[in-house]
Amino acid sequence: GDSVTQKEGLVTLTEGLPVMLNCTYQTIYSNAFLFWYVHYLNESPRLLLKSSTDNKRTEHQGFHATLHKSSSSFHLQKSSAQLSDSALYYCALSVGSNYQLIWGSGTKLIIKP
Amino acid sequence: EAAVTQSPRSKVAVTGGKVTLSCHQTNNHDYMYWYRQDTGHGLRLIHYSYVADSTEKGDIPDGYKASRPSQENFSLILELASLSQTAVYFCASSDAGLANYAEQFFGPGTRLTVL
Repeated sequence: GDSVTQKEGLVTLTEGLPVMLNCTYQTIYSNAFLFWYVHYLNESPRLLLKSSTDNKRTEHQGFHATLHKSSSSFHLQKSSAQLSDSALYYCALSVGSNYQLIWGSGTKLIIKP
Repeated sequence: EAAVTQSPRSKVAVTGGKVTLSCHQTNNHDYMYWYRQDTGHGLRLIHYSYVADSTEKGDIPDGYKASRPSQENFSLILELASLSQTAVYFCASSDAGLANYAEQFFGPGTRLTVL
């Protein structure tokens, strides 16, 4: 079946270093829609960025991701981590006709001074 | 002005008791969802609905019922609460018109503790 894998459950980085959170997916559908949601402590999860276009970079709030259908990946990146980036990040996939999101297990990102 | 609201925000329930979690959205969205969040499992879909008076099972529906009496309201019902249902529950809504590209808008969550 369709699935999303976020290998890292926890990523701890020092402020100023680059961020890369991994997301890979599996689906039989060619029209894959990929999302990154961010969940800050004591807030609601919210959309960070999304894409359905192969090899096109998508950016929002300093983060960027490129959907690579050849490798079924949609990694989230940021050039320089900030303390305020500490949060739980979810990768999600939407395919087929029922419009549901298939969620990865999430990556907790902790940025230290 | 929050578009998705949930009540209560936290609740302590006794094992075997009935619990109802409520969700209200003002987004005029057709789709509504109930998720639970557990450490290590991320967000898991319990039930969802794409039209009033109809609900669908998600990935982990056992032990939960859902009710969608109107487009704006979506409830999650635990008839016999169990310890394993201690979690944070999120409601969300999305626009069916955007199909697979639709963003889900989340409520603030309800922290449920079953003792």
